[in-house]
Amino acid sequence: DIQMTQSPASLSASLEEIVTITCQASQDIGNWLAWYQQKPGKSPQLLIYGATSLADGVPSRFSGSRSGTQYSLKISRLQVEDPGIYYCLQGYSAPLTFGSGTKLEIK
Amino acid sequence: QVTLKESGPGILQPSQTLSLTCTFSGFSLSTYGMGVGWIRQPSGKGLEWLANIWWDDDKYYNPSLKNRLTISKDTSNNQAFLKITNVDTADTATYYCARMGATYYVMDAWGQGASVTVSS
Repeated sequence: DIQMTQSPASLSASLEEIVTITCQASQDIGNWLAWYQQKPGKSPQLLIYGATSLADGVPSRFSGSRSGTQYSLKISRLQVEDPGIYYCLQGYSAPLTFGSGTKLEIK
Repeated sequence: QVTLKESGPGILQPSQTLSLTCTFSGFSLSTYGMGVGWIRQPSGKGLEWLANIWWDDDKYYNPSLKNRLTISKDTSNNQAFLKITNVDTADTATYYCARMGATYYVMDAWGQGASVTVSS
């Protein structure tokens, strides 16, 4: 199975600050990486797919990047509506595997 | 507009079979490249992919559930199904279904989730 090591586990940042979350894949997964945001009591919402493509309706302050087997989600200017838990997901091979999640809070 | 909604028994006893239904609209499982996946999340914990089924009836399962899973679809009625046999308390979770596309296997639309409790 492909392991997705996500960091940090939790993060507290100020409004307008830049936030970066990373996922390290245990092997090459190409661009088969997506990012999701989940708010309390809600289902996950797709933010980024194909490692770098912004999903429909997602604000442009969210962006994804890849360097080898390390993937990053960047929020360029943290907004009040951005707290939640963020997950990465590899779709390269079954079983599909999620990162352990990053809980993002406003400082 | 794509919508999905999960339904299930709510509560069941250990050793029973859990049957879940995903009723969707806004896409068809007979369309090339379309799929439906099932994911679960125990309260306060992370996400676990369980299975997915494609438009051509190709199916994939999470081997960690050791042959307890069966996924199927009813294309005419826009439904997908998941059965989990021999449940125990570790299967207590919120179960989600999601639309999947063949491009990067992205799950781009999710249902609201169905809460399932296994308890004697």
